[in-house]
Amino acid sequence: AQSVSQHNHHVILSEAASLELGCNYSYGGTVNLFWYVQYPGQHLQLLLKYFSGDPLVKGIKGFEAEFIKSKFSFNLRKPSVQWSDTAEYFCASSGGADGLTFGKGTHLIIQP
Amino acid sequence: NAGVTQTPKFRILKIGQSMTLQCTQDMNHNYMYWYRQDPGMGLKLIYYSVGAGITDKGEVPNGYNVSRSTTEDFPLRLELAAPSQTSVYFCASSHSTEAFFGQGTRLTVV
Repeated sequence: AQSVSQHNHHVILSEAASLELGCNYSYGGTVNLFWYVQYPGQHLQLLLKYFSGDPLVKGIKGFEAEFIKSKFSFNLRKPSVQWSDTAEYFCASSGGADGLTFGKGTHLIIQP
Repeated sequence: NAGVTQTPKFRILKIGQSMTLQCTQDMNHNYMYWYRQDPGMGLKLIYYSVGAGITDKGEVPNGYNVSRSTTEDFPLRLELAAPSQTSVYFCASSHSTEAFFGQGTRLTVV
């Protein structure tokens, strides 16, 4: 069975700080990896995804993630965060048709 | 583009009552999913479907039922509501692996 772990459950940063959210997955086969964002009171929106190819993936709103197969990691990064990035961030993996496996989420608060 | 539409957005149920959460998608996706989201727990898969007439259990199916009579609709049924089912429920659909989510249904069982 797949599992996804996110290292930080709560992160507080100041505006313009750099962000890195950790994500590790466990699955021996081909895996597709995602980062979703959930703004307060809203549904999940896809930030970026990795299926194959270039391990550095660029997503929306200046986010990027790097797939490191040897470390089973898919960390999310952003060089300079904004107050509007306050949200919950979920890492997820998918090995097939039976849905996504989510991490427990990281609640990110950006202080002005 | 409507995408994935869930109704209702909010609902309060009494213990033992039943209800159906509706989910419709207009993207002609074969795969549909129901998740529940609890604070600090991420999203857990309740049931999923790979096409009309085919459903299967996810990680937390107890207390729920689903049906998939059409490609578009994937309702989730709670037969005897319990406080443990207080949660936010998300429906999602997918063509292959990227999932599109509905706005969610916040359910409280009292």
